[in-house]
Amino acid sequence: DTAVSQTPKYLVTQMGNDKSIKCEQNLGHDTMYWYKQDSKKFLKIMFSYNNKELIINETVPNRFSPKSPDKAHLNLHINSLELGDSAVYFCASSQELRDTGELFFGEGSRLTVL
Amino acid sequence: AQSVTQLGSHVSVSEGALVLLRCNYSSSVPPYLFWYVQYPNQGLQLLLKYTSAATLVKGINGFEAEFKKSETSFHLTKPSAHMSDAAEYFCAVVSGGYQKVTFGTGTKLQVIP
Repeated sequence: DTAVSQTPKYLVTQMGNDKSIKCEQNLGHDTMYWYKQDSKKFLKIMFSYNNKELIINETVPNRFSPKSPDKAHLNLHINSLELGDSAVYFCASSQELRDTGELFFGEGSRLTVL
Repeated sequence: AQSVTQLGSHVSVSEGALVLLRCNYSSSVPPYLFWYVQYPNQGLQLLLKYTSAATLVKGINGFEAEFKKSETSFHLTKPSAHMSDAAEYFCAVVSGGYQKVTFGTGTKLQVIP
């Protein structure tokens, strides 16, 4: 069983469209994250949720809206896609960082905006 | 704020040679330091973690790292590189009051046959 799973794995879309990425974890973790990895492999945190509550929002444009229906799911919706949104988006989960610090990552969703 | 700096975006070693990937952290002692590995088209997976229990940390696949407070370093080593070690390696630190994990810019390891 995959611990952190994301869908879809690949998205190719036109500028201006809206797209969503879904993430689910079966590890029983309380916290979930979205990270963006750009073409130079730089990883930047976008959001984190703890028990459905938004904890971190790292100056991400309003076009990005996360949603956590329950603590096992964290989705990412992106409106009015721009060329610069092309990247790999990783979902991750963890127990309390104070206790373990370890993140568990999904395999990523590669978004290409044309 | 806690941060890490990785020196060298690309490192090439011959198969069987020593692997040394460098990471320095910001001056205040971090609670946790990590090395993660990313194989092509995959997510990141944990290699090893420093939690202040021991300064020499052993991880998976023969990797280890030594925490040196005097040098604010947490370099990753492996005595003998294998072709399967070719990947992107990220140093990371828990930061933001235990709210998040911040990653370094990554080092791509190439292993030459």
